[in-house]
Amino acid sequence: GAGVSQSPRYKVAKRGQDVALRCDPISGHVSLFWYQQALGQGPEFLTYFQNEAQLDKSGLPSDRFFAERPEGSVSTLKIQRTQQEDSAVYLCASSPWTSGSDEQFFGPGTRLTVL
Amino acid sequence: EDKVVQSPLSLVVHEGDTVTLNCSYEVTNFRSLLWYKQEKKAPTFLFMLTSSGIEKKSGRLSSILDKKELSSILNITATQTGDSAIYLCAVMDNYGQNFVFGPGTRLSVLP
Repeated sequence: GAGVSQSPRYKVAKRGQDVALRCDPISGHVSLFWYQQALGQGPEFLTYFQNEAQLDKSGLPSDRFFAERPEGSVSTLKIQRTQQEDSAVYLCASSPWTSGSDEQFFGPGTRLTVL
Repeated sequence: EDKVVQSPLSLVVHEGDTVTLNCSYEVTNFRSLLWYKQEKKAPTFLFMLTSSGIEKKSGRLSSILDKKELSSILNITATQTGDSAIYLCAVMDNYGQNFVFGPGTRLSVLP
């Protein structure tokens, strides 16, 4: 099954630690999205890549958040000096289309808990 | 393997029609089922269902969970063109660690 995969699935970090969350999109998908989701709420947009280019990072909540997709496939979301308010599920989605389409395929998410 | 199935995958209706979207799941340690409306941006959260048989309503939208049948339906009455979107169903496991998304139902509402 070649769906979107994310790792780790669950991460506990002490406040102040750096974390790195990985997303493996569906092979060949051009677009990749990162979202942050609190329980009972919809995903909040963080950033968007088209191939290796980060076209929109307007949703990143602070300069502690950094995302990359150096070869246009796997993406990593890095959070530096984690804070308790960073605790959430981080969802990754990929799409075969460039921006403008609503069709996205979601991964299972990484639940980050910051103590 | 955990799985979420939605039907139909695509649906075209006219304004004023009522639609019913289906979601069924096979998930170990089920906790909640969530419905989202996906447009050209982040999905919009619609409902979270945890208890069986209790209908949740928001305007023209309503949803109910049937844990015995491992399924949920999303109803939209008096559809409008603004309802056109992909409707995603996702299931969360009991540990809140695992989301499984369905493929979505693409709804097109014609004037």
